[in-house]
Amino acid sequence: DTAVSQTPKYLVTQMGNDKSIKCEQNLGHDTMYWYKQDSKKFLKIMFSYNNKELIINETVPNRFSPKSPDKAHLNLHINSLELGDSAVYFCASSQLAGKGADTQYFGPGTRLTVL
Amino acid sequence: ELKVEQNPLFLSMQEGKNYTIYCNYSTTSDRLYWYRQDPGKSLESLFVLLSNGAVKQEGRLMASLDTKARLSTLHITAAVHDLSATYFCAVDLEGSNYKLTFGKGTLLTVNP
Repeated sequence: DTAVSQTPKYLVTQMGNDKSIKCEQNLGHDTMYWYKQDSKKFLKIMFSYNNKELIINETVPNRFSPKSPDKAHLNLHINSLELGDSAVYFCASSQLAGKGADTQYFGPGTRLTVL
Repeated sequence: ELKVEQNPLFLSMQEGKNYTIYCNYSTTSDRLYWYRQDPGKSLESLFVLLSNGAVKQEGRLMASLDTKARLSTLHITAAVHDLSATYFCAVDLEGSNYKLTFGKGTLLTVNP
């Protein structure tokens, strides 16, 4: 019944490793997002896909690469992890109606700790 | 660049009291969102405000939007402990592909 799910929930890894976070939504939404929440709880958007097309690509290191195999899934791959990548990463989804606005529904988050 | 400012950032209040959280933003928009986040949890949508003068209420929380003043308020009436959480406002601009810009959040603690 989970609307937006992420795996893993916790990820502890060494600097320099490569890791992936997966996100799935069963809401039938067209649009998915990745956000980063830092240790001060500040939330910042990283990427957004609408029906598998990248529509928001904020200034993030190119070590971060999103991939959307279909509109229900959005994954985030991170190469050469650095200490500063430690944060909580949230996936979200919404139904882009083309006009107006819509609530974004957030997943449970993935707490990434880089040692 | 859109800036979203919330104040206060920290709010400690007693049960039964009223208080207001303010959210100012720098660029004209008529789309403002309020979210709640409990410690270690995800974000839960509270309100979506889509026009000037919009007012929405849910339980002890009421949100309003004044697009001319670029200001939204989240009013808490007769606070209870269960309202303790971090509250975020977020704004998106038309044509931004629904890119949400968040405020820094207000950590609300309601004491018995």
